[in-house]
Amino acid sequence: GAVVSQHPSRVICKSGTSVKIECRSLDFQATTMFWYRQFPKKSLMLMATSNEGSKATYEQGVEKDKFLINHASLTLSTLTVTSAHPEDSSFYICSARFPHTGELFFGEGSRLTVL
Amino acid sequence: SQELEQSPQSLIVQEGKNLTINCTSSKTLYGLYWYKQKYGEGLIFLMMLQKGGEEKSHEKITAKLDEKKQQSSLHITASQPSHAGIYLCGADDAGGTSYGKLTFGQGTILTVHP
Repeated sequence: GAVVSQHPSRVICKSGTSVKIECRSLDFQATTMFWYRQFPKKSLMLMATSNEGSKATYEQGVEKDKFLINHASLTLSTLTVTSAHPEDSSFYICSARFPHTGELFFGEGSRLTVL
Repeated sequence: SQELEQSPQSLIVQEGKNLTINCTSSKTLYGLYWYKQKYGEGLIFLMMLQKGGEEKSHEKITAKLDEKKQQSSLHITASQPSHAGIYLCGADDAGGTSYGKLTFGQGTILTVHP
């Protein structure tokens, strides 16, 4: 099946620094990708919709300046957590829709730990 | 907004037993997805259902969407330890026009004892 890949899978950073997470569609083009956040033992919550060539659409309550999203190409979306704080520690996961079938595939997720 | 309720929240079965997980929506389902997740890992795509009454199978897993499109079930036949994990149902929001914005159920934790 179609593959969505994330990098890095794990990252530890100091408070106040910024961290970039990449989401790639490996064998298909995705004009739209989605970023979710998952807290321990909780379900996924949509953060934003990443649109190729235009601004991302953020869900209510998600800070645009904190979570910067860039979708510079048809196969790559990036999420940058700016000025990270311990409360930003979480599991971040992206998804993309395979255009031929409509099936939604998710990446492996990226675990962020902010010290 | 759409809400999904999964039941049961957790399930422990003996290897070889059949089991069913349910996903009930507060609104009509236009696209219903089933995923499996191991804790701390990504989501593995299992099935996508869109039409009322639709049923799909892959290996020992069968998923159905009822005619009224407000409930889906996931059935595993002759469960194996490899089936253990968290099963999540996700609904395509906004009447199917959102093209991928999913609302998820809270998940069902499946444990299969050998």
